[in-house]
Amino acid sequence: AQKVTQAQTEISVVEKEDVTLDCVYETRDTTYYLFWYKQPPSGELVFLIRRNSFDEQNEISGRYSWNFQKSTSSFNFTITASQVVDSAVYFCALSEAPRGGKLIFGQGTELSVKP
Amino acid sequence: DTEVTQTPKHLVMGMTNKKSLKCEQHMGHRAMYWYKQKAKKPPELMFVYSYEKLSINESVPSRFSPECPNSSLLNLHLHALQPEDSALYLCASSQGRDTYGYTFGSGTRLTVV
Repeated sequence: AQKVTQAQTEISVVEKEDVTLDCVYETRDTTYYLFWYKQPPSGELVFLIRRNSFDEQNEISGRYSWNFQKSTSSFNFTITASQVVDSAVYFCALSEAPRGGKLIFGQGTELSVKP
Repeated sequence: DTEVTQTPKHLVMGMTNKKSLKCEQHMGHRAMYWYKQKAKKPPELMFVYSYEKLSINESVPSRFSPECPNSSLLNLHLHALQPEDSALYLCASSQGRDTYGYTFGSGTRLTVV
């Protein structure tokens, strides 16, 4: 069965600290996609990144970076020099190709960045 | 236009009311989705439409009735809801069911009284 686990329910940091959000997934498929979404209090799910199972390259986008390790079934997300605007709930999600059509979300990590 | 637009943003309805949620996208996406999200929980899939045909129904109660009149529009008709149906209803679209990338709307916050 497919499953996504975000063990950290809540994280609180002070501005400018680095923070890593953990994501561990389970799937039997060899082809799948992993996502990270940000959900601010307004409710909209903001797409951050998509990774397919064949691309284990780490990615950096500004202050955001992602570490994908198939050996440990993990797809962790790091925010460098956190800012108050980073405060939100972050969801890791899994979708399996070719069945597609369904995102399986982790429980989410609520990040609070204090000034 | 790279948005998914949902209306209304907020809705309060009684248990005997009939109402509809609307979702619209003009990105040429051929798959559209309804998700339900309770407070402090992740979104849960309700329905998937692919090329205007219902392809996934996650055993959703019949008081929720989806409709896809054309490739840009997705409706969710609500009838005889219960207070526990109060939630954030999110619409999303993607280019196809290949999960290339989902675009979510900002949701409708529904309260059933």
